[in-house]
Amino acid sequence: DTGVSQNPRHKITKRGQNVTFRCDPISEHNRLYWYRQTLGQGPEFLTYFQNEAQLEKSRLLSDRFSAERPKGSFSTLEIQRTEQGDSAMYLCASSGVRGPFQETQYFGPGTRLLVL
Amino acid sequence: TQLLEQSPQFLSIQEGENLTVYCNSSSVFSSLQWYRQEPGEGPVLLVTVVTGGEVKKLKRLTFQFGDARKDSSLHITAAQPGDTGLYLCAGRSYNTDKLIFGTGTRLQVFP
Repeated sequence: DTGVSQNPRHKITKRGQNVTFRCDPISEHNRLYWYRQTLGQGPEFLTYFQNEAQLEKSRLLSDRFSAERPKGSFSTLEIQRTEQGDSAMYLCASSGVRGPFQETQYFGPGTRLLVL
Repeated sequence: TQLLEQSPQFLSIQEGENLTVYCNSSSVFSSLQWYRQEPGEGPVLLVTVVTGGEVKKLKRLTFQFGDARKDSSLHITAAQPGDTGLYLCAGRSYNTDKLIFGTGTRLQVFP
């Protein structure tokens, strides 16, 4: 498998619960990104990693959100004390360092979160 | 705040028609990517353009990056029902790796 994978694909939770999503990037891609997409909108940047270092975080990422990439491979995004406004599609993307299209980001299928 | 505005927002056309989608910004981007997204799925990359004035063709799709690297267009010739989907442009600035996405154009092609 050469694509970005995300698990789970769907998550339904009750308000106040914690949820964790996982992203496995394309092998050897050293950059990994998280975006959030609400219905009818384009994705919005949340955060990104180069290897295990978290290099940039959006103001959208409140203190209830935390992302990790402990070994520079897969990443997890945790949302604590979920709110109904967190309902969205959470997208992961990865990109490589070298090559003419090093800037190109490849997206996974997303995790759709519904907070009841 | 960087913004990428796409137009039109919605487009419904008959099979065989031509169409153009525009992506405009007041900001300069180091590169711009076009994606197509189907319901419930992640965006799928169509093309990356990196040079001002660049034109790339992908079968019936033609992409152009503006000379000033602030805008882009996607032209589809002889649209087919399989072209139906949400088209997103996304720009990358020089000082960051994050993508700024456009507002999206939802295309419906009827047989």
